[in-house]
Amino acid sequence: EIVLTQSPGILSLSPGERATLSCRASQNVNIRYLAWYQHQPGRAPRLLFYGASSRATGVPDRFLGSGSGTDFTLTISRLEPEDFAVYYCQHYGTSVFTFGGGTKVEIK
Amino acid sequence: QLQLQESGPGLVKPSETLSLTCNVSGDSITAGSYSWGWIRQPPGKGLEWIGHIYYNVNTYYRASLKGRVSISVDASRNHFSLNLGHVTAADTGLYFCARVGYGAGSRLFDYWGPGTLVTVSS
Repeated sequence: EIVLTQSPGILSLSPGERATLSCRASQNVNIRYLAWYQHQPGRAPRLLFYGASSRATGVPDRFLGSGSGTDFTLTISRLEPEDFAVYYCQHYGTSVFTFGGGTKVEIK
Repeated sequence: QLQLQESGPGLVKPSETLSLTCNVSGDSITAGSYSWGWIRQPPGKGLEWIGHIYYNVNTYYRASLKGRVSISVDASRNHFSLNLGHVTAADTGLYFCARVGYGAGSRLFDYWGPGTLVTVSS
């Protein structure tokens, strides 16, 4: 079973700054099976990326997904107030879904 | 616009069964051959996949929950359900229902409910 490790656990930044979030898989994964979600407290999680780098509908272009093999990255080029949330990577394989532990992006 | 909404008891006693329903609105639950799933978030922790059901035929469950969990679809009521038996305090958390959609040849959760808090306590 694939294990996804996200780092850092908490990222403290100011609005306007760049955020770089990491998701490392315990073994090589097909990029098609890697997704990212945003979760704001009290709201439903939101799909951001699928296939590692394909933006879901309505996701602003300040969000960028990249990576391959075991290392994947979510980058937010300039943080807006609504971007402060918890972000999860997720893998799908052989009918099993696995989430990473999440990275909380908080206001510094 | 597809919308999902969880409902069920917020408090369940230890050893009893947790039962939740996810009402789907905005489209038929049988349209498009989608799967439907449940995810939970224990207090202070991350998201954890529970299981999903495809076309009311095939079900897939988290290995650690097998034997206690079942998911079913009621097409006539346009909803799907989660039953988790013999619950303990470790089953306390925020429970989400979601649609399993498609992207890049893979599966992903493209629509989510807002979540419902379930506490296991006597």
